[in-house]
Amino acid sequence: EAGVTQFPSHSVIEKGQTVTLRCDPISGHDNLYWYRRVMGKEIKFLLHFVKESKQDESGMPNNRFLAERTGGTYSTLKVQPAELEDSGVYFCASSHSLTRRLAYNEQFFGPGTRLTVL
Amino acid sequence: DAKTTQPTSMDCAEGRAANLPCNHSTISGNEYVYWYRQIHSQGPQYIIHGLKNNETNEMASLIITEDRKSSTLILPHATLRDTAVYYCIVRGFLGGTSYGKLTFGQGTILTVHP
Repeated sequence: EAGVTQFPSHSVIEKGQTVTLRCDPISGHDNLYWYRRVMGKEIKFLLHFVKESKQDESGMPNNRFLAERTGGTYSTLKVQPAELEDSGVYFCASSHSLTRRLAYNEQFFGPGTRLTVL
Repeated sequence: DAKTTQPTSMDCAEGRAANLPCNHSTISGNEYVYWYRQIHSQGPQYIIHGLKNNETNEMASLIITEDRKSSTLILPHATLRDTAVYYCIVRGFLGGTSYGKLTFGQGTILTVHP
C-alpha cells in the first residue's frame, strides 16, 4: 500500500509570502495529523483531523496557520504570511480510525516538507 | 501525557543488542508506552508499543518493568541502518484525552558502529 505522501519536499520562500503544504494520507485512514520540527527543537504536534473535522488543534501556533481537509481525504496546511520562525520540517501522519484496536492506531508518517523562510 | 526521560545518546556495535532505556515514572494506568524512531531525513517510524506485558515484533522487543515506571527497547542485532533517533512516548489509550497526538521528547541518538 502507498504510504503517506507530502508535497513539496522542499520549499524556500521569503518572509511575508504564503506557502501551502499538502499531505495525502494512506487510503482509508480517517485520522490525519500535522507535526513540525523547528531548528533544534523537538517534534511538536500541530493538529489532528478525524475525517474532515478538526479533532484537536491545540498545537497550532497562531492564526497565520490554516489547515483544511475538505472531503476527508488530503489535507493542506497554509502559512500566511510566513515568518522566519516558521522554518522547519513539517510532517504529516495518518492512522486508522481510533475505534479499532489500539494496535491500528499506529501513526504512519510522511517524509516531511522542509520549509525555509528567508 | 506522562513525561519520559531518555539518555541523550548511545553507541552500539553492529551485530550486538542495543538496549535503549526510558524512564516514565509518572505514567498512569491507562497510558501505553510507544517507541518510534527517526532515521535521518525521514519521517518518524513506529516500532512497538505496550501496556504492561513485554512485547516483541519483527523489529524489536519492549520490556516494561512491573511497576511500569521504566521500559527498555531492545534491538536484538543492531545494524548500521538502525542508526537513528529513538523516541519513547507515553500515550493515553482510546477514550482518554491524549489518545490522538504523539508527544515527542528529545529522544536517544543511537549510533551503530561497524
